[in-house]
Amino acid sequence: GAVVSQHPSWVICKSGTSVKIECRSLDFQATTMFWYRQFPKQSLMLMATSNEGSKATYEQGVEKDKFLINHASLTLSTLTVTSAHPEDSSFYICSARGTSGTEQYFGPGTRLTVT
Amino acid sequence: QQQVKQSPQSLIVQKGGISIINCAYENTAFDYFPWYQQFPGKGPALLIAIRPDVSEKKEGRFTISFNKSAKQFSLHIMDSQPGDSATYFCAAYPGGSRLTFGEGTQLTVNP
Repeated sequence: GAVVSQHPSWVICKSGTSVKIECRSLDFQATTMFWYRQFPKQSLMLMATSNEGSKATYEQGVEKDKFLINHASLTLSTLTVTSAHPEDSSFYICSARGTSGTEQYFGPGTRLTVT
Repeated sequence: QQQVKQSPQSLIVQKGGISIINCAYENTAFDYFPWYQQFPGKGPALLIAIRPDVSEKKEGRFTISFNKSAKQFSLHIMDSQPGDSATYFCAAYPGGSRLTFGEGTQLTVNP
C-alpha cells in the first residue's frame, strides 16, 4: 500500500515552454501533497504544500507564478513549470500524506531537462 | 530551530559490517522521526520511523536508536549489503506539519 506515482518520469522541453507533472496517490486519499526539488547530491528542498481543494502554500523564494500547483482531488496533484528555463532543470519529487497525518510517501520523481 | 543535522556525509562499509548514521535536532516540538532510503534517480522510500516515547525500534536489519534527552537519533544497518548502497535521509516533524530533512548520507557497501 501507500503508492505514489508520478508522470512523466522524465521530460525534455525547450526553453520558454511549459511542462506539467502529475502526482497520484494510487491506494490512499492524500489530504496533503508536497512538491520537492532536488539537485544532485543534495537534500530535498520543499517547494510547496497543498491541501485538497485549497491554494498551495509556497516556500520562501519559490515563484508561485512560475510553479503552478493544483490539488483538485484527493488523489491527484499537478505541478506546472511555466516558461521553463535551463535553470529549472532538476529532479522534481512529489509526496503525499493521507488522513493518518503521519507517514509521508514519495513518488519516484520526474527528471526535467530544459534545453 | 527547524534544522536536522546529519552525519557523516558519506560512509563506506564492508559487506557484513554495521553502518551507523547519526542525526541531531533542536526543535523539541518534533514528534516523529522517519528515515528514508533513496537510490539514484528514484524518490525517497520510507524505511523506518520512530516516535520519541520509544528509545529503539527494529525492523529486520534496520534499527533506530533514539535519545530524547540528547535530541539525537541514529540509524543502524546490521549486516550491511551492497544492495544497501544508497543515500539515507533522516527527517523530523511536528505532527501535522511538514518534514525537515537532514543533509543526507551516501552509503557505499563494498562487496
